[in-house]
Amino acid sequence: QVQLQESGPGLVKPSETLSLTCIVSGASIGSSSYYWGWVRQPPGKGLEWIGNIYYSGTTFYNPSLNSRVTISRDTSKNQFSLKLTSVTAADTAVYYCARTPYFYGSGSWVDYWGQGALVSVSS
Amino acid sequence: EVVLTQSPGTLSLSPGERATLSCRASQRISSDYLAWYQQQPGQAPRLLIYRASNRATGIPDRFSGSGSGTDFTLTVSRLELEDFAVYYCQRYGSSITFGQGTRLEIK
Repeated sequence: QVQLQESGPGLVKPSETLSLTCIVSGASIGSSSYYWGWVRQPPGKGLEWIGNIYYSGTTFYNPSLNSRVTISRDTSKNQFSLKLTSVTAADTAVYYCARTPYFYGSGSWVDYWGQGALVSVSS
Repeated sequence: EVVLTQSPGTLSLSPGERATLSCRASQRISSDYLAWYQQQPGQAPRLLIYRASNRATGIPDRFSGSGSGTDFTLTVSRLELEDFAVYYCQRYGSSITFGQGTRLEIK
């Protein structure tokens, strides 16, 4: 049974860095069959793709966030992480970690989701 | 960037009725690169359809996807109470974007 669990602070101050980790069980992030990534959802709004990381370490980012986003992985711990710098109130959202099967390009459909972590940006 | 526009914004139907949700792309995309999700309040989205017409594991056969080019459709043949939710389409591949969602509510 594949499970993904987000962890990290629920409150971040404006201009600081948002950091989240996704712990994966039931699957290996070292597998070439999947990308691992992040999707966010502001309260009451729709879904926004943030980025993915492949087993090789290759990353793909949403162009609108590219300058502020870093996704990394730790295969020894079977987890991957998100860092988003210079946050503002507009970055307040539920952040989901996700698994996407390898298909083509920067990612594909999400077949497993974490439960989501609400991160609020406020002083 | 491909923009996905979903319609209608809100669809009001009764259990047992047929639901037809639309997802229109701003430029032609391959049907291999279109997925649909269902999201219940307070929950993560759930994959329904990938590659435009393939049902995900465990998805009832009352859900079906179709379409090509710029026009894609999710159909729910006979609505059950648990089907009332928000639905999103997603384009993936060289870039990844979501539609803004369609809310399916009980009439």
